[in-house]
Amino acid sequence: QQQVKQSPQSLIVQKGGISIINCAYENTAFDYFPWYQQFPGKGPALLIAIRPDVSEKKEGRFTISFNKSAKQFSLHIMDSQPGDSATYFCAASMYRIGLIFGTGTRLQVFP
Amino acid sequence: EPEVTQTPSHQVTQMGQEVILRCVPISNHLYFYWYRQILGQKVEFLVSFYNNEISEKSEIFDDQFSVERPDGSNFTLKIRSTKLEDSAMYFCASGTGVGTDTQYFGPGTRLTVL
Repeated sequence: QQQVKQSPQSLIVQKGGISIINCAYENTAFDYFPWYQQFPGKGPALLIAIRPDVSEKKEGRFTISFNKSAKQFSLHIMDSQPGDSATYFCAASMYRIGLIFGTGTRLQVFP
Repeated sequence: EPEVTQTPSHQVTQMGQEVILRCVPISNHLYFYWYRQILGQKVEFLVSFYNNEISEKSEIFDDQFSVERPDGSNFTLKIRSTKLEDSAMYFCASGTGVGTDTQYFGPGTRLTVL
């Protein structure tokens, strides 16, 4: 019930393409869904986050789509750039509780 | 821009030894967290801390682990008797917890247990 399932494990996209990463959760008590970006040797950095009262949130080239009934959410990276190459983690939490992370997606964007 | 800092960046220790990992959260934050990431795996929650006490802890956070906020700025994670399987990156995070759940992560401490 506390798991967050993430797919795919790895993703290769050409520069300018769209990267899509999917996550699913079971616990309906989760009310906060962030995405973190992690470069090798660095800590996770918050990219974008959403709450279940909205179905979509966009910040620049990054968009979260949220489907409450399906208990799924996804990250779309438009116009993917080589600098976006990193590992992306979805996560879920309840207020003031520790984040439950997905297993991560390693994104490689080729020029 | 304020950031979470962690020391040391790399700690090597012998099995059975005690280690203390240190973190300086962002100054106006009230909520503090420790996570770990075994090489190549996902980030796992260990413990959250608020108002000088543990708010929540995971199954990983057993009696070998303890946390402390010894003064107004530091937040520490102590592992009493390290095991080989404690080798991992340990991340500290902090958040305001007011109107947002955003957690800001430090750069991590790589712990190697020999």
